[in-house]
Amino acid sequence: SQTIHQWPATLVQPVGSPLSLECTVEGTSNPNLYWYRQAAGRGLQLLFYSVGIGQISSEVPQNLSASRPQDRQFILSSKKLLLSDSGFYLCAWSGRGTKNIQYFGAGTRLSVL
Amino acid sequence: QKEVEQDPGPLSVPEGAIVSLNCTYSNSAFQYFMWYRQYSRKGPELLMYTYSSGNKEDGRFTAQVDKSSKYISLFIRDSQPSDSATYLCAMANTGNQFYFGTGTSLTVIP
Repeated sequence: SQTIHQWPATLVQPVGSPLSLECTVEGTSNPNLYWYRQAAGRGLQLLFYSVGIGQISSEVPQNLSASRPQDRQFILSSKKLLLSDSGFYLCAWSGRGTKNIQYFGAGTRLSVL
Repeated sequence: QKEVEQDPGPLSVPEGAIVSLNCTYSNSAFQYFMWYRQYSRKGPELLMYTYSSGNKEDGRFTAQVDKSSKYISLFIRDSQPSDSATYLCAMANTGNQFYFGTGTSLTVIP
């Protein structure tokens, strides 16, 4: 069966520090991968998605970047965090084929102080 | 107009009640419909999946899709305190584009 791992679960970082959040998927190959940010009452905001290694699409201009160095690995990064980067970050994957379903990781709660 | 509209609630019901959660959408190209349950500080977990129109039942949960009205529903029978969570509706087209509702917060009171 497929599983998605996302870490860390909680992160507290000072303003101006770098960020690296990692997500890996097991049990499937060539998944579509997604990074979301979730704000209370505002739903899920799609940040990045990837259909393959090195292929990243950005949905919103921001202080963040994403990379996909391996087929089942997706990384969210920042060189210098801002206070406004605080939030709940979710990684998700979907398979190829006819069933369009996204499966989510456990999430990372990021506090920038 | 948003692609997906969902009443944020909050919704509070007594234990054992029937709960109805709803979403409306504007894009007739949506073919895949999902409901996710999200507990506080956790990632959303897939609860129900429906392709195209019709009903789907899984235990106490029933998902309905009415494509003519662009309206989907999730019914929870015999609601339990453990059902207290935020429920997100989601839709996708064949182009693998996903759209999510903002979520409805549900509390089931013992």
